[in-house]
Amino acid sequence: ETVLTQSPATLSVSPGERATLSCRASQSIGSSLAWYQQKPGQAPRLLIYGASTRATGIPARFSGSGSGTEFTLTITSLQSEDFAVYFCQQYNHWPPYTFGQGTKLEIK
Amino acid sequence: EVQLMQSEAEVKKPGESLKISCKGSGFTFTNYWIAWVRQRPGKGLEWMGIIYPRDSDTRYSPSFQGQVIISADKSISTVYLQWRSLKASDIAIYYCARQVYYMDVWGKGTTVTVSS
Repeated sequence: ETVLTQSPATLSVSPGERATLSCRASQSIGSSLAWYQQKPGQAPRLLIYGASTRATGIPARFSGSGSGTEFTLTITSLQSEDFAVYFCQQYNHWPPYTFGQGTKLEIK
Repeated sequence: EVQLMQSEAEVKKPGESLKISCKGSGFTFTNYWIAWVRQRPGKGLEWMGIIYPRDSDTRYSPSFQGQVIISADKSISTVYLQWRSLKASDIAIYYCARQVYYMDVWGKGTTVTVSS
């Protein structure tokens, strides 16, 4: 099973600043990585797939990068609606598809 | 609009059986795999398994194999997640999601509570 480790567990950032979230895979997954955003009481929402392709309707301030085992989600100019929990998910080695444990992005 | 509509929240006793559902609309249901994802209270996401409604080809995570049953009725664009005997450890929100390797459409979730 491919283990995904997200860091940090909690990230405190001020509105308008940049947030950088990391996801590390226990083995190479190429570019087979997605990022999701989850707000309290809501289902997850797809943000990024293929490590760097924004899903439909996702603002350009969200960007993804990386390949192999190291991946990053960057959110520039943070808006109030961006404070949420973010999960990465790999789809190169399955079953099972696996998720990271999540990073909570909170207002500083 | 592409949607996955999930059944309502359930409250059950330990040992009872349960079947929850997920109905797709706005897309060709039989062209997509549908996954189930568990989220325990305050925890992360766990992929349980996946089904292809066209032929009911089903794959399970090793962690959930034998613990749940995933099935589908393509005639009504619906997939199901079933337990034969619920445990307290099954308390969670269960999401269905359309899966194209990543999950691009999600249901709102079904909350399952197990309490004596």
